[in-house]
Amino acid sequence: DTAVSQTPKYLVTQMGNDKSIKCEQNLGHDTMYWYKQDSKKFLKIMFSYNNKELIINETVPNRFSPKSPDKAHLNLHINSLELGDSAVYFCASSQEGSRFYEQYFGPGTRLTVT
Amino acid sequence: GNSVTQMEGPVTLSEEAFLTINCTYTATGYPSLFWYVQYPGEGLQLLLKATKADDKGSNKGFEATYRKETTSFHLEKGSVQVSDSAVYFCALGTGANNLFFGTGTRLTVIP
Repeated sequence: DTAVSQTPKYLVTQMGNDKSIKCEQNLGHDTMYWYKQDSKKFLKIMFSYNNKELIINETVPNRFSPKSPDKAHLNLHINSLELGDSAVYFCASSQEGSRFYEQYFGPGTRLTVT
Repeated sequence: GNSVTQMEGPVTLSEEAFLTINCTYTATGYPSLFWYVQYPGEGLQLLLKATKADDKGSNKGFEATYRKETTSFHLEKGSVQVSDSAVYFCALGTGANNLFFGTGTRLTVIP
């Protein structure tokens, strides 16, 4: 069973388009995240979200928006895609209040903007 | 504040060599420490963790000891294999569900 899944695995699109990446977790966790990994493998937190609070990294452009239809899903919607948005995007989840703060990651979505 | 400083790579070793990847941290409070591994084309997987000072995390032959006095959590393996080739991330976990990642160290093991 896949704990954290993402779709699609690869996404190629043109500048200016709007796209979404879906994330689902079956761990029963109540907090989910989106990370961006650049070409140098540096990981940057974009959002953390639970049913109480959305925390947005202030450096994330407002073209990016997380949408959570329910506790097990956190989708990432991107408007007006730009070349610099090309990266691998990872979804993750954790249990709020866990003593150990560990997060479980999805397999990633490689976004290429042409 | 919270941050992680990780040894820059890339690191290239021959099979059966000894591996050390250095990681130091700064933190407020009492963090947990993690090593995550990213194999080519895959997501991050938790490799090992330690939740308090002097704890040793271990998995798949890898070990790391939480050293509060030196604020370090160095990753070691006595004999690496080609299949260990991956990017390794040191991370610090605190309250508020935040993980602070190091920049990652790429390891290549050659036969």
